[in-house]
Amino acid sequence: EPEVTQTPSHQVTQMGQEVILRCVPISNHLYFYWYRQILGQKVEFLVSFYNNEISEKSEIFDDQFSVERPDGSNFTLKIRSTKLEDSAMYFCASSTPTGTLGYTFGSGTRLTVV
Amino acid sequence: DAKTTQPPSMDCAEGRAANLPCNHSTISGNEYVYWYRQIHSQGPQYIIHGLKNNETNEMASLIITEDRKSSTLILPHATLRDTAVYYCIVNNAGNMLTFGGGTRLMVKP
Repeated sequence: EPEVTQTPSHQVTQMGQEVILRCVPISNHLYFYWYRQILGQKVEFLVSFYNNEISEKSEIFDDQFSVERPDGSNFTLKIRSTKLEDSAMYFCASSTPTGTLGYTFGSGTRLTVV
Repeated sequence: DAKTTQPPSMDCAEGRAANLPCNHSTISGNEYVYWYRQIHSQGPQYIIHGLKNNETNEMASLIITEDRKSSTLILPHATLRDTAVYYCIVNNAGNMLTFGGGTRLMVKP
């Protein structure tokens, strides 16, 4: 069964450092997403990406965040200057154009900012 | 904010059917009902979705009331591995998902 692959599974970074979280969506999917989940809290939407541009973003997705699809397979989330409160699980997801088959989520990257 | 209401927790005996309810009284005509689950801190896993008709797949059945204001996810023979948080989400296909608190299902031996 096709999977969304995320790397690394765990990243520890110092406050103020830049991090890039990587995702390989399912190959025939056209919508891509990032969500995050702070420990013990709900899964929160960050951003959706379609046709090489952001289609929707939440209030969380401020200027410190950016997304990119640098080639035909990878989808990345960059946090420019990490804060302690950015510590969370970050999930990448992808879906078909109509979303009729649901979204497929990756297994996540646990980001710990120290 | 999530547009659904679910009980925070439920228990089910192993081998029995687990029936998870969801209220979505403000659902609009073009919104689907999606069900996902999350085991520990893994990524949410798609289970099933529907618009009006009842749906069944290898994982579960989804029963949607005629007025579409509520639905029930049925796991016909729950196993210990079905212990998870189950999320009922309504949205238009292709749009972002808004997760609520979900129902924490505990399957007990």
